Amino acid sequence: AQSVAQPEDQVNVAEGNPLTVKCTYSVSGNPYLFWYVQYPNRGLQFLLKYITGDNLVKGSYGFEAEFNKSQTSFHLKKPSALVSDSALYFCAVRVPGSGTYKYIFGTGTRLKVLA
Amino acid sequence: KAGVTQTPRYLIKTRGQQVTLSCSPISGHRSVSWYQQTPGQGLQFLFEYFSETQRNKGNFPGRFSGRQFSNSRSEMNVSTLELGDSALYLCASSLDGRGQFNTEAFFGQGTRLTVV
Repeated sequence: AQSVAQPEDQVNVAEGNPLTVKCTYSVSGNPYLFWYVQYPNRGLQFLLKYITGDNLVKGSYGFEAEFNKSQTSFHLKKPSALVSDSALYFCAVRVPGSGTYKYIFGTGTRLKVLA
Repeated sequence: KAGVTQTPRYLIKTRGQQVTLSCSPISGHRSVSWYQQTPGQGLQFLFEYFSETQRNKGNFPGRFSGRQFSNSRSEMNVSTLELGDSALYLCASSLDGRGQFNTEAFFGQGTRLTVV
């Protein structure tokens, strides 16, 4: 079965420090990978995606993510965290040729940036 | 460009009733997906429509149904509501073509359904 794991329910980081939110996946085939952020009482907002090419992808609000095929990971990073980055983050995959067009989401990681 | 619009934003229903939620996708998007979000279960896929056809369905009982109209607007219906149906229902649209997987989904703000 295709799945996405976000091993940390919550990540705490001090403002100004670098942050990492982890994501690993288990799929058959070559997936497309996505990161989304959700603020309270809002829908999900797209941050970035990896389709092909450079393993380091840059997205909105200064976020970037590194695709590592051998470790089947797609960790979200930011060099300097802001208090306003505090939110719920979701990793997702889509697998061409899998027979399904759905996005498979991880369980989410709550990021808390402390002032 | 207008985003994905979901109506209503909040809804309170009684057990046993039925409910219809509406989603208007971004103009030009033909794929619409629905997700249920609860604190305990996370994001659960309900179904996905493309050009009025249901392409994928999640593992939900038959009480959950949906449809898509020729203008790509979509509705989902839940009949015989149960307390456990209380959740945030999210709709997402994407600029999929046939056989295309590399597009991101754009989400609406959701409909918060409370069943009492």
